[in-house]
Amino acid sequence: EPEVTQTPSHQVTQMGQEVILRCVPISNHLYFYWYRQILGQKVEFLVSFYNNEISEKSEIFDDQFSVERPDGSNFTLKIRSTKLEDSAMYFCASSVDTYYGYTFGSGTRLTVV
Amino acid sequence: GENVEQHPSTLSVQEGDSAVIKCTYSDSASNYFPWYKQELGKGPQLIIDIRSNVGEKKDQRIAVTLNKTAKHFSLHITETQPEDSAVYFCAAPMKSSGDKLTFGTGTRLAVRP
Repeated sequence: EPEVTQTPSHQVTQMGQEVILRCVPISNHLYFYWYRQILGQKVEFLVSFYNNEISEKSEIFDDQFSVERPDGSNFTLKIRSTKLEDSAMYFCASSVDTYYGYTFGSGTRLTVV
Repeated sequence: GENVEQHPSTLSVQEGDSAVIKCTYSDSASNYFPWYKQELGKGPQLIIDIRSNVGEKKDQRIAVTLNKTAKHFSLHITETQPEDSAVYFCAAPMKSSGDKLTFGTGTRLAVRP
């Protein structure tokens, strides 16, 4: 079964450092998303991406965040200057159509120290 | 935006018994309701979804019911097994767009052998 692949599985970074979280969506999917989950809390929408541009972003997705699809397969989330409160699980997801359920990756656990 | 309430937060059942998890939503225009299962250290996995043109959908031991008038939908798991133990999330589309999801707060299901 096709999978969404995320790397790394765990990233530890110092406050103020930049991090890049990487995702390889399912190959025929056109819609891409980043969600995050703070430990023990619900999954929260960050940003959606379609046709090489952001289609929607949440209040969480401020100027410190950016997304990119640098080639035909990767989809990245960059946090420019990490804060302690950015510590969370970050999930990438993709879907073939807006009307179908997403496939989530296994997540990257980001720990900011 | 959409507000999704999920109950209960924890549920413990004996193996073989049924489990029911309920969610309510606020946006009457919502038309797509997925359920996700999240096992420890993994991303959410879509297990079943329902669209607003049907009232019930079943897939083996899992069923989802939808009451659009009351704006609630429920997940039913019959003949529970230990491998059903996980956190279950309901979701509904955000008001601003059909494909971005608002998640419920999750239900931790424990199936006792």
